[in-house]
Amino acid sequence: RKEVEQDPGPFNVPEGATVAFNCTYSNSASQSFFWYRQDCRKEPKLLMSVYSSGNEDGRFTAQLNRASQYISLLIRDSKLSDSATYLCVAPSGNTGKLIFGQGTTLQVKP
Amino acid sequence: GAGVSQTPSNKVTEKGKYVELRCDPISGHTALYWYRQSLGQGPEFLIYFQGTGAADDSGLPNDRFFAVRPEGSVSTLKIQRTERGDSAVYLCASSSNPSTSRSSYNEQFFGPGTRLTVL
Repeated sequence: RKEVEQDPGPFNVPEGATVAFNCTYSNSASQSFFWYRQDCRKEPKLLMSVYSSGNEDGRFTAQLNRASQYISLLIRDSKLSDSATYLCVAPSGNTGKLIFGQGTTLQVKP
Repeated sequence: GAGVSQTPSNKVTEKGKYVELRCDPISGHTALYWYRQSLGQGPEFLIYFQGTGAADDSGLPNDRFFAVRPEGSVSTLKIQRTERGDSAVYLCASSSNPSTSRSSYNEQFFGPGTRLTVL
């Protein structure tokens, strides 16, 4: 089993839709998690951090369920500019190295 | 300010050749990471430097891969006897200092990557 697993999608949604991605992790000792956004042929950029039960930033909400070992990302009122790959990430150990999921591709259509 | 830069942006080489990939981290960042991203996959950790020393090289796939950071700033990833399976985007990231607590995190800033193609 991979340390971080995601459904690769793609998720094709119309503008204005609400879409949710889930991610599961295997290391129950992990304390913090992150969602990174990666545009086509670009580098990953930090979108949100999740340290406790959840975090909200505008249209984006990240939630953590430790009992079931999954993290979710909810995007409300989708915009065309939200089209990207969303990477679920968990730090490993105390060196800060990051373990990435495969990524979930979102395509928002007009 | 300037972000992480990587050179070259693209590198095409032939099987069996030697390549060097360069990373210039954000000024003052002590932690530097190398990752490799294959098509359709998330980045995979290769090696982590704290200052000049490689603190964790557990992600290097084999002894053909080597990285240095002699002055604690610029880093070079070196690949000997390249194979077609080495083709990927090689990403470098830097942060102000490594996470020392499971509840803390210093954001890693990624460079644009070097796209390596081995023919």
